[in-house]
Amino acid sequence: RKEVEQDPGPFNVPEGATVAFNCTYSNSASQSFFWYRQDCRKEPKLLMSVYSSGNEDGRFTAQLNRASQYISLLIRDSKLSDSATYLCVVNRFNTGNQFYFGTGTSLTVIP
Amino acid sequence: NAGVTQTPKFQVLKTGQSMTLQCAQDMNHEYMSWYRQDPGMGLRLIHYSVGAGITDQGEVPNGYNVSRSTTEDFPLRLLSAAPSQTSVYFCASSYSRDRWRGEQYFGPGTRLTVT
Repeated sequence: RKEVEQDPGPFNVPEGATVAFNCTYSNSASQSFFWYRQDCRKEPKLLMSVYSSGNEDGRFTAQLNRASQYISLLIRDSKLSDSATYLCVVNRFNTGNQFYFGTGTSLTVIP
Repeated sequence: NAGVTQTPKFQVLKTGQSMTLQCAQDMNHEYMSWYRQDPGMGLRLIHYSVGAGITDQGEVPNGYNVSRSTTEDFPLRLLSAAPSQTSVYFCASSYSRDRWRGEQYFGPGTRLTVT
């Protein structure tokens, strides 16, 4: 079973729409959770951390449900510049700082 | 700060050739990792290091070697290239647990094709 599972999409939404991505993780010992953004042919970059109480950063809201092992990302008022692949990432410290990546969800925002 | 740098950006190898992918960081990060990214597979950990002189295997280590002689550098060696190693390779670094703020920093990637 994969550590992190995401719907690969693609999601094609008009500008101004609200879109939600979901992800599940398999290891209950996972300690930290993130959404990374990856533009085409570029390296992944941290979008936001995800906290148990839920957190917001501008138009982006992330939620974590530890009981269901489920993470979500909500993007409101989508912009053309939001077009990218969104990677769900979980982390735990084993012998090192181990990150486990989902395959990513592709988003295209259409004018 | 240059952050995480990787060379080369692109490489074409023939089956059986060997090469080293270079990775360096100037942020004094203790942890460094190598990932490969393939379509539909996500990023998969090849090898990682928690400090100079210490390395360990990740999810897909076969066919690759690493060493960490300094905090800054973490080269990845392909011993005998195979077409299955055609991929995009990312190096990443982060602080150790006691200084970690959550972010892992990635280099720009190396696109490797093995024919």
